[in-house]
Amino acid sequence: EAQVTQNPRYLITVTGKKLTVTCSQNMNHEYMSWYRQDPGLGLRQIYYSMNVEVTDKGDVPEGYKVSRKEKRNFPLILESPSPNQTSLYFCASSLGGVVIPSTGELFFGEGSRLTVL
Amino acid sequence: DQQVKQNSPSLSVQEGRISILNCDYTNSMFDYFLWYKKYPAEGPTFLISISSIKDKNEDGRFTVFLNKSAKHLSLHIVPSQPGDSAVYFCAAQAAAGNKLTFGGGTRVLVKP
Repeated sequence: EAQVTQNPRYLITVTGKKLTVTCSQNMNHEYMSWYRQDPGLGLRQIYYSMNVEVTDKGDVPEGYKVSRKEKRNFPLILESPSPNQTSLYFCASSLGGVVIPSTGELFFGEGSRLTVL
Repeated sequence: DQQVKQNSPSLSVQEGRISILNCDYTNSMFDYFLWYKKYPAEGPTFLISISSIKDKNEDGRFTVFLNKSAKHLSLHIVPSQPGDSAVYFCAAQAAAGNKLTFGGGTRVLVKP
């Protein structure tokens, strides 16, 4: 089954304790991205990757790091989490670029709800 | 500064009637627009899209209309069904861009 898998789905942590949210896709997609969803603000892009070893900042990259060592994995790292990073996080992937007009699809994971106390 | 705005945070409609969701954008470089649907505890899923060379795209009960001069698009759901109750996100992309810019979402409730 084609899917984007995120872990953990739920996490409560404390300020300053480093954490990693993993993301894996099994569709051989080149493009992967992380978003955070906050009430009224929709989905805002944190980082994206066009391919292995190619990453770039999105709209809200502060406080986050990413890496793309393998095509299928795109972990999101919070080196020193703060309460303003409490949010719902989504990983997404697509075959090439952001969207392919013929399909128009960005495939999303089920989300990871993070609470930073 | 939100480049994509959905000014109605919620919408309630009776089953069988039409749901109309609106989306406005400010960036004239956007040329591809999408709607995503999101159920609780799930990730968004693609619903329908439209290129700027068109003004209408239809897929079953879902139709998206694009008014480029007004920088406005809308999603029509006819007839609305209880299973359509979800949050709908409008998104836009520029041809040379590497990201989708999303609106804040509209929560739709279809009452039986």
